[in-house]
Amino acid sequence: KNEVEQSPQNLTAQEGEFITINCSYSVGISALHWLQQHPGGGIVSLFMLSSGKKKHGRLIATINIQEKHSSLHITASHPRDSAVYICAVVFMDSNYQLIWGAGTKLIIKP
Amino acid sequence: GAGVSQSPSNKVTEKGKDVELRCDPISGHTALYWYRQRLGQGLEFLIYFQGNSAPDKSGLPSDRFSAERTGESVSTLTIQRTQQEDSAVYLCASSVRSGSYNEQFFGPGTRLTVL
Repeated sequence: KNEVEQSPQNLTAQEGEFITINCSYSVGISALHWLQQHPGGGIVSLFMLSSGKKKHGRLIATINIQEKHSSLHITASHPRDSAVYICAVVFMDSNYQLIWGAGTKLIIKP
Repeated sequence: GAGVSQSPSNKVTEKGKDVELRCDPISGHTALYWYRQRLGQGLEFLIYFQGNSAPDKSGLPSDRFSAERTGESVSTLTIQRTQQEDSAVYLCASSVRSGSYNEQFFGPGTRLTVL
C-alpha cells in the first residue's frame, strides 16, 4: 500500500529554534515534494527532490532513498514560518498523482 | 497569467444545488490535477487529465462529481446535488508532462461551503 507518514503532527517552538519535520513513505517514489500551506489554504511548493539535499534560504530538505525518508529543516525559525508543512510523494506505480502526508502544524512563538 | 488560476475563490451554496469550479492551468502544461481538502484533513486526489488521454477519475468520491477539460486548457469540476460533506477547499494543479514526473504547480484554491 502506498503510504506517507509525517511527524510530528504538531510542533510548537520558540523563535530561533532549529526545526525538523520528518516524512517516511512505504515504497519507491519518483519524487517527493515539501509544501507549505498557510491558514488561508494556499499551497506553495518549497522543494521537489528525488535524491540528495536542497537548500533555499533558511530551509533545507534532504532525502534518503534507501531508507525511504525525508526531512525538512528550518534554521533560525521565525513566527512567519508558522504554517502547515506537507510532505507529498509521487509513487512509481502511480499516475503521477501526489499522495499527501497528514501535514505538520508548526507554530513559532516570538 | 504566470500561474494556475482558479475561480471562484469562494463559493457558498445551498444543499442540493449544483456548482462549477474552474481551473486555468499554466500555459503549455499538459497535465492537470484536481484535489480537495476537507477541514482538518489532508488533501485527496480527485481526477487527473493528461493531454487527450482518458482522464484518471479514480479519486472522484461519487457520481455527483465530474470534470471536463477542453484540450490542454481550462478544466471545470462540477458537483451535482451538493451535500454538506462536499464543503472543502478544491485545489487545481498543473504540470508539464513529458514521460516522467514534473513538478506540480498549485492554484489558490476554491473554498466551497455547502449550507
